[in-house]
Amino acid sequence: RKEVEQDPGPFNVPEGATVAFNCTYSNSASQSFFWYRQDCRKEPKLLMSVYSSGNEDGRFTAQLNRASQYISLLIRDSKLSDSATYLCVVNILTGGGNKLTFGTGTQLKVEL
Amino acid sequence: DAGVIQSPRHEVTEMGQEVTLRCKPISGHDYLFWYRQTMMRGLELLIYFNNNVPIDDSGMPEDRFSAKMPNASFSTLKIQPSEPRDSAVYFCASSPRTSDTGELFFGEGSRLTVL
Repeated sequence: RKEVEQDPGPFNVPEGATVAFNCTYSNSASQSFFWYRQDCRKEPKLLMSVYSSGNEDGRFTAQLNRASQYISLLIRDSKLSDSATYLCVVNILTGGGNKLTFGTGTQLKVEL
Repeated sequence: DAGVIQSPRHEVTEMGQEVTLRCKPISGHDYLFWYRQTMMRGLELLIYFNNNVPIDDSGMPEDRFSAKMPNASFSTLKIQPSEPRDSAVYFCASSPRTSDTGELFFGEGSRLTVL
């Protein structure tokens, strides 16, 4: 079983739609969680952290369910510029420091 | 501020040749990571360094791969001999010592094609 699993998509949605991505992780010792965004042929960049109580950043809402080992990202009022691949990332604290494990990503295409 | 700098951006080589990828992390960052990205496997951690010391190289696929960090401002990833299945985008990333935010700063990547 992969450490971090995501539906690869693509999710094709019209502009203005609400879309949600899910992610599951296998290691219960995972410490912290993040969503990264990767544009086509570019490097990944941090989108937002995911906190236990859930958190919001503008149109983006992230939630964590530790009991089910499940993370979600909700995008409201989607824009054309939201088209990208969204990577779920899990951080495990090892003896040497933080170790980030990336999911394979979910591709989003926002269309007119 | 300069970000993580990788070179070369693109490399096309023939099977059996040696490939050396280079990385300059952000100044002051104590952690340096090498990742490989393919369509099939996504981003895979190959190795990471803390204060120039390799901490976890369990992701290095085999002995053909080696990585070094001779000083705080430079790291190399070497593949010798290269094989077609090594074709991928190789990313270097760095993060600061005190970071528990999970934020890695990635370079633009080195796209390797082995023919």
